[in-house]
Amino acid sequence: ETGVTQSPTHLIKTRGQQVTLRCSSQSGHNTVSWYQQALGQGPQFIFQYYREEENGRGNFPPRFSGLQFPNYSSELNVNALELDDSALYLCASSNPRDGYTFGSGTRLTVV
Amino acid sequence: GENVEQHPSTLSVQEGDSAVIKCTYSDSASNYFPWYKQELGKRPQLIIDIRSNVGEKKDQRIAVTLNKTAKHFSLHITETQPEDSAVYFCAARYSGNTPLVFGKGTRLSVIA
Repeated sequence: ETGVTQSPTHLIKTRGQQVTLRCSSQSGHNTVSWYQQALGQGPQFIFQYYREEENGRGNFPPRFSGLQFPNYSSELNVNALELDDSALYLCASSNPRDGYTFGSGTRLTVV
Repeated sequence: GENVEQHPSTLSVQEGDSAVIKCTYSDSASNYFPWYKQELGKRPQLIIDIRSNVGEKKDQRIAVTLNKTAKHFSLHITETQPEDSAVYFCAARYSGNTPLVFGKGTRLSVIA
C-alpha cells in the first residue's frame, strides 16, 4: 500500500471560499508535487516542494499556494474558489532515485 | 519547458491482442519516462518506467521502448486482458527534482 496519504478524500465548497488540502509523503521522499486532474484529462502540474521550498510551479494563479513542513508533508491552499477548480487534486512524493508515488487524491467540488 | 504528446487518445483492442501507446517529448534533456495506469476513481499507479541510459525495458506483458534521437517512447502491452482496461498516462522529466510532465492519456478498452 502506498505511503502517501491525502486528506480529505472528498470536499464540497462554495464559490469564493478557501480550501486546504493535506498530503503526507512516503518515508524517504523529500519532494512533494501537487497536480490538478480535471475529468478526462491528464494531471496538470501545480507546484513542487523540495526541502520546504517551492522549486517549480506550473501555470496556476497565485491563489494556489502551498507549504511543505519539516517532516516533508505538504498543504495545498486555494483561495477564492472558482467553479473550474472542481477536480481531483493529486499529491505525489518522490526522491531523485525513485518514481513518483501518488496519493489517492482529494476530489474537490465547487458549487 | 517540457511538453509531452500522447497518442492515441482512445484505443480498443480484442482480448489477447497487443496494444501500443506512443508519446513524444520536447526536452532532449529529459531522462526519466514513467507510465501510469489509472482506473476509474483511483490514483495513477506506476506500471513501468525507463531511464535514458536504456532503450527497452520489459516486465512480463508490459514493455517500454525509448528512442532518444527521435524523442519518443512507447508502451507495449501484449496478450491484453479485460483488466488492462484503464487510462494510461506517459510522463517525462529531466532531472530528479523537476516535475513530471504528463501526456493527456489514452483510454484503453480491451474487449472480451
